[in-house]
Amino acid sequence: DTAVSQTPKYLVTQMGNDKSIKCEQNLGHDTMYWYKQDSKKFLKIMFSYNNKELIINETVPNRFSPKSPDKAHLNLHINSLELGDSAVYFCASKGTNAYQETQYFGPGTRLLVL
Amino acid sequence: DQQVKQNSPSLSVQEGRISILNCDYTNSMFDYFLWYKKYPAEGPTFLISISSIKDKNEDGRFTVFLNKSAKHLSLHIVPSQPGDSAVYFCAAVGMDSNYQLIWGAGTKLIIKP
Repeated sequence: DTAVSQTPKYLVTQMGNDKSIKCEQNLGHDTMYWYKQDSKKFLKIMFSYNNKELIINETVPNRFSPKSPDKAHLNLHINSLELGDSAVYFCASKGTNAYQETQYFGPGTRLLVL
Repeated sequence: DQQVKQNSPSLSVQEGRISILNCDYTNSMFDYFLWYKKYPAEGPTFLISISSIKDKNEDGRFTVFLNKSAKHLSLHIVPSQPGDSAVYFCAAVGMDSNYQLIWGAGTKLIIKP
């Protein structure tokens, strides 16, 4: 059983399109994240959700919108895709029992905007 | 401003020898540190962590050392195996970072047979 899964794994699309990336975790965690790994391989946090509520929204363009239908899912919608959006996007989740800082990551979604 | 730095983009080590990966941080409010390992085309996986109240944590072949006065931590892998070839990320977290993980840029470890 995959703990954190993302779909699709690869996404190639044209500039200006709207796309979504889905994330699901079966760990029973309360907190989920979206990260973007840029060309320099830095992992930058984009959003964090705790029990379906947004608790962190880093300075990302408002073309990016996270949506959490329930605490096991955190989807990322991207409108009007731009070339600079090409990157690997990782979903992660974290428990909130005791002092649990370990985040569990999905396999990543490789987005290429042409 | 990078609060967590991994100054070596890559490291090459002979199989069987010790691999030492280094990480420096600038924020003295960090109170928990983690190492993640990442293979190509996969997400990062948790490897080992250490609380700021400790100076050493060991798990099998992996040991993390923390030197708070120097704001430095290191990951030791001994003996190194071919399957250890991956990118290793250092991350730190604390109340000051609102408990967000602050990541280093990663070090690519290559184990030579």
